[in-house]
Amino acid sequence: QKEVEQNSGPLSVPEGAIASLNCTYSDRGSQSFFWYRQYSGKSPELIMFIYSNGDKEDGRFTAQLNKASQYVSLLIRDSQPSDSATYLCAGELTSYGKLTFGQGTILTVHP
Amino acid sequence: EPEVTQTPSHQVTQMGQEVILRCVPISNHLYFYWYRQILGQKVEFLVSFYNNEISEKSEIFDDQFSVERPDGSNFTLKIRSTKLEDSAMYFCATRDRSAFFGQGTRLTVV
Repeated sequence: QKEVEQNSGPLSVPEGAIASLNCTYSDRGSQSFFWYRQYSGKSPELIMFIYSNGDKEDGRFTAQLNKASQYVSLLIRDSQPSDSATYLCAGELTSYGKLTFGQGTILTVHP
Repeated sequence: EPEVTQTPSHQVTQMGQEVILRCVPISNHLYFYWYRQILGQKVEFLVSFYNNEISEKSEIFDDQFSVERPDGSNFTLKIRSTKLEDSAMYFCATRDRSAFFGQGTRLTVV
């Protein structure tokens, strides 16, 4: 079974710190990975996606992909209390294919 | 910013009744999906739809489920005879290279 695994946390960081969220996947054929933020009772909001090895930066967010290690991460710089949410990692095997989600990591940013 | 719109936001139905969940995709997107999330669990894939036909479906998507795009704009998920275990948030998603989710329909089967 194709799995995406995340540490469920909770991960607690102080305001202004860097939050590091990690995700591993089992299927080497996975093409792309998506990071979503989900507030309680709400829908997933897309943060960014990555499909090439290396880093991809968007504002305070940096996604990192290492296909050899089957590892994806999301760094949040200058964390704010409003970043407190569940962060979902999802992978896709084929372009425009289904997304397979991890169980999510709960992040708490405390003032 | 374009968004995926779902209706209703909350649906309460009796076990055995039929429900139809509706989604209006982002206008230039061609790939449509339904996902569900049972409270406290992972987001799970149900079905994908492209070019007016199902392109992939999960084990969850059995004969009680169907999808269609009746009028070229709405994308619907029908559950013919709801069960208690169908209670969940149902999300429609559409995509170009990115994948965007609607705000969800909370389905409660009583």
